Amino acid sequence: AQSVSQHNHHVILSEAASLELGCNYSYGGTVNLFWYVQYPGQHLQLLLKYFSGDPLVKGIKGFEAEFIKSKFSFNLRKPSVQWSDTAEYFCAVNAYTGGFKTIFGAGTRLFVKA
Amino acid sequence: DTEVTQTPKHLVMGMTNKKSLKCEQHMGHRAMYWYKQKAKKPPELMFVYSYEKLSINESVPSRFSPECPNSSLLNLHLHALQPEDSALYLCASSQPTDSVAKNIQYFGAGTRLSVL
Repeated sequence: AQSVSQHNHHVILSEAASLELGCNYSYGGTVNLFWYVQYPGQHLQLLLKYFSGDPLVKGIKGFEAEFIKSKFSFNLRKPSVQWSDTAEYFCAVNAYTGGFKTIFGAGTRLFVKA
Repeated sequence: DTEVTQTPKHLVMGMTNKKSLKCEQHMGHRAMYWYKQKAKKPPELMFVYSYEKLSINESVPSRFSPECPNSSLLNLHLHALQPEDSALYLCASSQPTDSVAKNIQYFGAGTRLSVL
C-alpha cells in the first residue's frame, strides 16, 4: 500500500534560519509528488509539485524540493524562513490505482519565531 | 478561476439530523474528491468521482452518501452521524486524465462539521 512519511511533526525555527522538511514515500509506480501548505485558518494550497524532469523543483514563496528517486524522497527546503511561513506542511503522493488517489503525510507544523 | 467553493463553512448537526455539504467548481474539472481532515491530522480520502461516476470509495460508512449531479457539483449527504464524525470536510477537483502528470488537485476551504 502507498504511504507517505514525514520525519518531523513539529519544527521551531528563528527567522532567517534554513528549513528542510523530510518526506519519504512508498509506491513502486509512477507518482506525482506535492507539498501543500495550510496556513492557520486557511485551506490547503499547493506549494510545489514534481512530475518528471529536473528533480529540483521550485515553488512559490522561495520554497524548493528535491526528488531523489533512489531514496523515494521529496524533501522541502527554504534557505531563509520568515515568520509568515508559520503553517502546517503536508507532503503528498498521487498515483493512479484505478483512479487517482492522493495520500498525505501526517504533516509538519512549522513555527517561525520573529 | 481556480476556486473550489464549499458551503456551508460551518455546520452543527445532531445525530438524528440529515444535512448535505456542497462543493462547486467551474474549472471544467471532471474529477472531484471528498476528504476528511481531523484536527492535527492529514486529509484522508473518502470518495473520488470521475466523469460524474463514483470511482473510489475508501470504505466510508453508509451514513455518508456522495452525489455528483453534474460536472460542476459534488454533494455529500449526511445522516445519522456520530460525534466522532466531527471534522473538516474538504472537497477537491482536478482534470481526470490518464496522465499522472496532469492530476493536480485544487482544494476548497472546507466545511467544519460538528456532530452533537
